[in-house]
Amino acid sequence: QLLLQESGPGLVKPSETLSLTCSVSGGSVTAHYWTWIRQPPGKGLEWVGYTHHRGITNYNPSLKGRVTISLDTSKNHFSLNVHSVTAADTAVYYCATGAYWLDTWGQGTLATVSS
Amino acid sequence: QSALTQPPSASGSPGQSVTISCTGTTSAFGVYNSLSWYQQHPGKAPKLIIYEVNKRPSGVPDRFSGSKSGDTASLTVSGLQAEDEADYYCSSFAGGNIFILGGGTKLTVL
Repeated sequence: QLLLQESGPGLVKPSETLSLTCSVSGGSVTAHYWTWIRQPPGKGLEWVGYTHHRGITNYNPSLKGRVTISLDTSKNHFSLNVHSVTAADTAVYYCATGAYWLDTWGQGTLATVSS
Repeated sequence: QSALTQPPSASGSPGQSVTISCTGTTSAFGVYNSLSWYQQHPGKAPKLIIYEVNKRPSGVPDRFSGSKSGDTASLTVSGLQAEDEADYYCSSFAGGNIFILGGGTKLTVL
């Protein structure tokens, strides 16, 4: 059974980079698509982007230029970096996996942007 | 621009059926049959309840069903139960190989 667990600092200062990691157990990051979704407090879900071991990566056009998603096969995890953050990037960030739908999700981690 | 539109709220009494709609632009349903639905209880991660328009993952009750006609997909919850009270999101793998998500519908069991 595939299990995902997000980790990262809960607090980030404005203009800095938010870095999160999703640890994968029960499977390999060399298979599947790996996705980040976020949810601002009290609001709906927003797709951030996905990556695949074959080098396929795609991002939400509204975030393009500020987001990078990468895989680390040696640690069997994948990561999200959001650059130049503002308060609007405050959200619960979920990692998830699936091709055209997301069948496995992590529990989510809250990242707050504040000075 | 690709978009999926859901009503912000829906409600029904225990035992009744409720249908939640998800209307999309043509490009929103880019990949054939990629329409999926997620259930999210407060403070919890979303859970996949319908994929490929009308298929249920193992463990999801058959009270949940999905369909699609033209530019509108629907999630029907039959025999409403108290535990069905949650937020529901539709999603699609759209043109340009991007995921899009509806704004979510809050289902209240009266």
